[in-house]
Amino acid sequence: AQSVAQPEDQVNVAEGNPLTVKCTYSVSGNPYLFWYVQYPNRGLQFLLKYITGDNLVKGSYGFEAEFNKSQTSFHLKKPSALVSDSALYFCAVRDMRLSWGKFQFGAGTQVVVTP
Amino acid sequence: DADVTQTPRNRITKTGKRIMLECSQTKGHDRMYWYRQDPGLGLRLIYYSFDVKDINKGEISDGYSVSRQAQAKFSLSLESAIPNQTALYFCATSDPSLTSGRSPDTQYFGPGTRLTVL
Repeated sequence: AQSVAQPEDQVNVAEGNPLTVKCTYSVSGNPYLFWYVQYPNRGLQFLLKYITGDNLVKGSYGFEAEFNKSQTSFHLKKPSALVSDSALYFCAVRDMRLSWGKFQFGAGTQVVVTP
Repeated sequence: DADVTQTPRNRITKTGKRIMLECSQTKGHDRMYWYRQDPGLGLRLIYYSFDVKDINKGEISDGYSVSRQAQAKFSLSLESAIPNQTALYFCATSDPSLTSGRSPDTQYFGPGTRLTVL
């Protein structure tokens, strides 16, 4: 079985401050990990993914995520948040051994960046 | 997002009605997916299709059916809508040829259809 948890329903941060959105996962084998962002009235947009290799993955819009196998985490980070980063963020995981279609999404974390 | 379109964008219907949600894509991807999004639950996979002749159930397929009319079109039907099917529905596409080796293909989402069943 595979699962993903986003422990925070909402993250509030002031513009210019560092932003972290937490994600932990559980899979039987090695994971593929994704971050998506959803702006109001829009579909999900791909931010970044971890497949293998370097634990620090860089993605779109200045975001990066760090894969930590021992803590089974894949936290999303941005050094300096912008008001325009306010959105709903989803972490997703797939066990490498499962068929392609079966991604598991987290419940989502609402990010609110205040000016 | 314009590469993946969904119609209608909003729909209000009554219990027992048959509803069809349509998805079209111009990305040329073989793989298409239908998800529903509920607050606090994230996205859950309803059906997925790897090509026109290949359709598979996801984790919550009961009460839903799909049709892959062409590579570019993937429709989701609610045979007899019920209130707990009120949700935001997303179509997505992917192309495994865009990644190397055994890497999973990135999914690209449409703008969503907000369905309310009264």
